[in-house]
Amino acid sequence: GAVVSQHPSWVICKSGTSVKIECRSLDFQATTMFWYRQFPKQSLMLMATSNEGSKATYEQGVEKDKFLINHASLTLSTLTVTSAHPEDSSFYICSARGQSGYGYTFGSGTRLTVV
Amino acid sequence: AQSVTQLGSHVSVSEGALVLLRCNYSSSVPPYLFWYVQYPNQGLQLLLKYTSAATLVKGINGFEAEFKKSETSFHLTKPSAHMSDAAEYFCAVTEGGNEKLTFGTGTRLTIIP
Repeated sequence: GAVVSQHPSWVICKSGTSVKIECRSLDFQATTMFWYRQFPKQSLMLMATSNEGSKATYEQGVEKDKFLINHASLTLSTLTVTSAHPEDSSFYICSARGQSGYGYTFGSGTRLTVV
Repeated sequence: AQSVTQLGSHVSVSEGALVLLRCNYSSSVPPYLFWYVQYPNQGLQLLLKYTSAATLVKGINGFEAEFKKSETSFHLTKPSAHMSDAAEYFCAVTEGGNEKLTFGTGTRLTIIP
C-alpha cells in the first residue's frame, strides 16, 4: 500500500531557530501534498496545499513566510518552520495524494517543541 | 461549503459491546466521506471511505459505516469492541473536484475492560 515517510518524528529546537520537516512518498507519486497542524486533543487544521512544481496555497491565517513549503519533486515535500517560537509547538502531519483515486496517505507526524 | 460534525467528543464502551461513533456532514455536492483512526503521537490511518459506490462500506479492523443521504450521516460502527480500538477517530469529507479534506473535531473512544 501507499506509504508516506515523515521525519523527524519529534524535534526540540531553541526559539529563533528554523526546523525542517520532510515527507516522502515511498511507493507512489504524490502530486498533491497537504500540511496539517494539530493542537493537543484537537482536530487537524489544514495549513497549506502544494502541488509538485508549484507554489503552495496557504489557508487563511497561516503565515507563508513563517511556514515555508517546498514540493520540488513528486516524492518529496518539506515544511520549514522559520524563526520558531514556543507558540509554534504543535504536532505537524503531512498527507499525500497520488494521481489516481481518492486516496490520502498520512505521514506519522512530527512533534515540534520550541523552547 | 463542506463541513463535518462529530457528536460526542468522548465515547466509552465496554469490551465486546457495540461501538457507534456519529458523523453528520454538510456538502453542496455529493460528498466523499472518510473515517480515520489516530493513535497517540501518530498520523492518521484510513479505516474506510465512501466514494459514491455502495452505501454500506466495510473497512479494516471490523469497522463499517453506512452512508445515509436522507440523514446526511455516515456513522461508524463495530459490533464488538476490542481493547485495541481505544484511539481518536476522525470523520472527514471532501467534495468531488475539491481535494481538501475537512475534518470533524474527533471522538475519543475508550474501551472499558
